[in-house]
Order: sequence, then structure tokens, then C-alpha cells
Amino acid sequence: GAVVSQHPSRVICKSGTSVKIECRSLDFQATTMFWYRQFPKKSLMLMATSNEGSKATYEQGVEKDKFLINHASLTLSTLTVTSAHPEDSSFYICSALYRTSGTPGANVLTFGAGSRLTVL
Amino acid sequence: EDKVVQSPLSLVVHEGDTVTLNCSYEVTNFRSLLWYKQEKKAPTFLFMLTSSGIEKKSGRLSSILDKKELFSILNITATQTGDSAIYLCASRYGNKLVFGAGTILRVKS
Repeated sequence: GAVVSQHPSRVICKSGTSVKIECRSLDFQATTMFWYRQFPKKSLMLMATSNEGSKATYEQGVEKDKFLINHASLTLSTLTVTSAHPEDSSFYICSALYRTSGTPGANVLTFGAGSRLTVL
Repeated sequence: EDKVVQSPLSLVVHEGDTVTLNCSYEVTNFRSLLWYKQEKKAPTFLFMLTSSGIEKKSGRLSSILDKKELFSILNITATQTGDSAIYLCASRYGNKLVFGAGTILRVKS
């Protein structure tokens, strides 16, 4: 099955620093990955769609200069939270579309384990 | 505006009970509806539904979609404490998902 690896799982940083989160598809190629943010006891909020070899597409209200996304290869997307502040503390999850085998195949969204960011 | 609404927001039951979780959606260019279970970390995939009236089953879990009424239900029979989690439904349009707020299920022993 498809596995998406996310790293780090937990990071604590000081206010004003930048933090990079990596999302890797381990056994499949992902031309498209998605970055979500989840607040406590709330649902996942799509932040942006990461496209390999091109600029990410950001959802309304998400600052692209604040949350830098780079999709450098077919198996790696990164999210950099720049000049982090305490209000950026959250759980960030990436996902990638994986096409299942069989006829017909199906596109299933597979999630990474998430990264807990705490900004002091 | 595309939206997905889940109910109830939270639910507490005893082991052995049967629960039904609801999900209604309003999404343009609907493609499929997905159910996920989220415990401490990332959501894990449960079901993907694309056709009305066809029940999907996995053990004690089952789900069905009604595309005319724009809703889906997730049933869990003979609940166990390990079923305690947040259950998320999401509607897919294109390659994007719109998530509902989730139902927090707690199963007491």
C-alpha cells in the first residue's frame, strides 16, 4: 500500500524562526500533494495544493509568503513556516493521491502522520 | 460555497452499542465521499463511496451514500473502546477534499 512519511513528527521552536516540514511518498510518485492544518478538536483545513515542478496553489486566506511550499521532486514536498509565531502552533498534515491497483483503479488520498508544531 | 456537515459533533456510547454517524454535503462537481478515522495522529482511510445505494463493509463498519439526498452514513456495530476516535467525512471534487468538522466518538467500557 501507499505510504506517506512526514518529518518531523514534533517540533518546538522560538518565535521568529522558520521551520521546515517534509512530506515524502515512499513507494509511489506523487505529482500532487496537499497540506492541511488542523486545530484542536476541529477538522482538517486545506492550506494549499503542492504541484511537482510548479508553484503551489493556496487556498483563500492562506498567506503564501508565510507558508512556503516546494515540491522539488515526485516524492518530496516541503512546507516551511517562515517567521513562526505562537498562533502558527498547530498540527500540520500532508497527503498525496495514490492510485490503487486493479481495474478500475481508484484515487485514494493517503495521509502522512502529521507534524505537531509548537511555537514558543 | 462547498461544505460538508457532520452530525452529531460528539457521541458517547457503551461497548456493544451500534452507532450511526451522519454526513451531508454540498459540493459542486462531486466525485466521491470518503470516511476517515482519526485517533492521535493522521486520519486513516475507511471507505470511499461513489455510487448511491451500494453499501461498503469492513468488519463492523459499513457505509452507504445517497447522491440524491446528498448524504452518507457510517455505521459501527458492536462498538469497542478501540473505536473511540474522530470520524471525518470528506467530499471530493477534482483532486481536492472538503472535510466535515468530524464526529468525536467515545466508547465507554
